[in-house]
Amino acid sequence: GENVEQHPSTLSVQEGDSAVIKCTYSDSASNYFPWYKQELGKGPQLIIDIRSNVGEKKDQRIAVTLNKTAKHFSLHITETQPEDSAVYFCAASRYNTDKLIFGTGTRLQVFP
Amino acid sequence: GAGVSQTPSNKVTEKGKYVELRCDPISGHTALYWYRQSLGQGPEFLIYFQGTGAADDSGLPNDRFFAVRPEGSVSTLKIQRTERGDSAVYLCASSQQGGNEQFFGPGTRLTVL
Repeated sequence: GENVEQHPSTLSVQEGDSAVIKCTYSDSASNYFPWYKQELGKGPQLIIDIRSNVGEKKDQRIAVTLNKTAKHFSLHITETQPEDSAVYFCAASRYNTDKLIFGTGTRLQVFP
Repeated sequence: GAGVSQTPSNKVTEKGKYVELRCDPISGHTALYWYRQSLGQGPEFLIYFQGTGAADDSGLPNDRFFAVRPEGSVSTLKIQRTERGDSAVYLCASSQQGGNEQFFGPGTRLTVL
């Protein structure tokens, strides 16, 4: 069945450094790849997404890259800040309104 | 505008009891999703509504789980004969018609003793 693998499970960085989280998906029909940030006791918050017709998308300090051939996509956070500390989830779906298949999450800690 | 809201925020029940969890989607969103998130895991899909009808219920784990959305807005997830393994955070999300972006509520933390 559909599967999304996410690495690493935990990531600690110094404030100002970059953080990279990687995901691999199994369903070649997937064409929408969102990233969510989840803080303790809250629901996931959409932070950036990318569709399969685009290789890279950037929004201020956050960027996402997609390699459809390899079925990989990655989240890049530059100039990390303590408030970036949270659990990040990647996900994949096949078409508009399709269910999301989530990765297992990455706990990011940014130390001041 | 207002986001997705879920009530209650916390629910503690005893094994064997019946529970109902409510979701209020973003106004105007036609698609509504339920997910379940166990500790340390990513959300897992349960069911998806387009309007009033369940378009995909392939994620419901068994027939103790049921969901409705009678007027195409608010949805209720119903769990019969709860088991300790049902303990999790139940998340609701909504999206616009034809849209990919799913916006999540804060979740209901269900604890079955």
